[in-house]
Amino acid sequence: DGGITQSPKYLFRKEGQNVTLSCEQNLNHDAMYWYRQDPGQGLRLIYYSQIVNDFQKGDIAEGYSVSREKKESFPLTVTSAQKNPTAFYLCASSISINQPQHFGDGTRLSIL
Amino acid sequence: AQRVTQPEKLLSVFKGAPVELKCNYSYSGSPELFWYVQYSRQRLQLLLRHISRESIKGFTADLNKGETSFHLKKPFAQEEDSAMYYCALGGASGSRLTFGEGTQLTVNP
Repeated sequence: DGGITQSPKYLFRKEGQNVTLSCEQNLNHDAMYWYRQDPGQGLRLIYYSQIVNDFQKGDIAEGYSVSREKKESFPLTVTSAQKNPTAFYLCASSISINQPQHFGDGTRLSIL
Repeated sequence: AQRVTQPEKLLSVFKGAPVELKCNYSYSGSPELFWYVQYSRQRLQLLLRHISRESIKGFTADLNKGETSFHLKKPFAQEEDSAMYYCALGGASGSRLTFGEGTQLTVNP
């Protein structure tokens, strides 16, 4: 079954810790994205990648990092520098950068 | 620069009433516009795109380049239409989609 898989569904982090969210797709899409969804603020783009080994900052990249070593994988690391990490994180992919995006189920990150 | 505005964060209608979710965009080139929907406990999914000019679940949206709008309409709302709706703008090849802030639609019985 093709699609995007995000794991874990729920994640808890202690203050000062880095944490990595997983995103895998088997749609053979070139482009992948990470969004943050907060109540009343819609979708805000963190990072995106148009192709393997390349990625660009989105609108709210501070405190986050990504890698794109494989076409199917685009992990997001929330670092201790992110002051307000509690949020719902969505990963998406598309055939190319301006095409419709397919979304994962999301990961809810909470601070202990 | 690309920009999408959804002026209503919350919209509430009664079942059977018409509904219109507003979307305005700012873009100097030829736009591609999309509506996405997120039902409770489901993933965000594409509802429709303007180039396909189709009706999905009774919803339609017409691109009005003069008013730079892409409003989503349905003549008779159903309770199962209650969801978060996002308008998105795609521009020239190589540019990413820009999402609006979303409108939470509630259809009351």
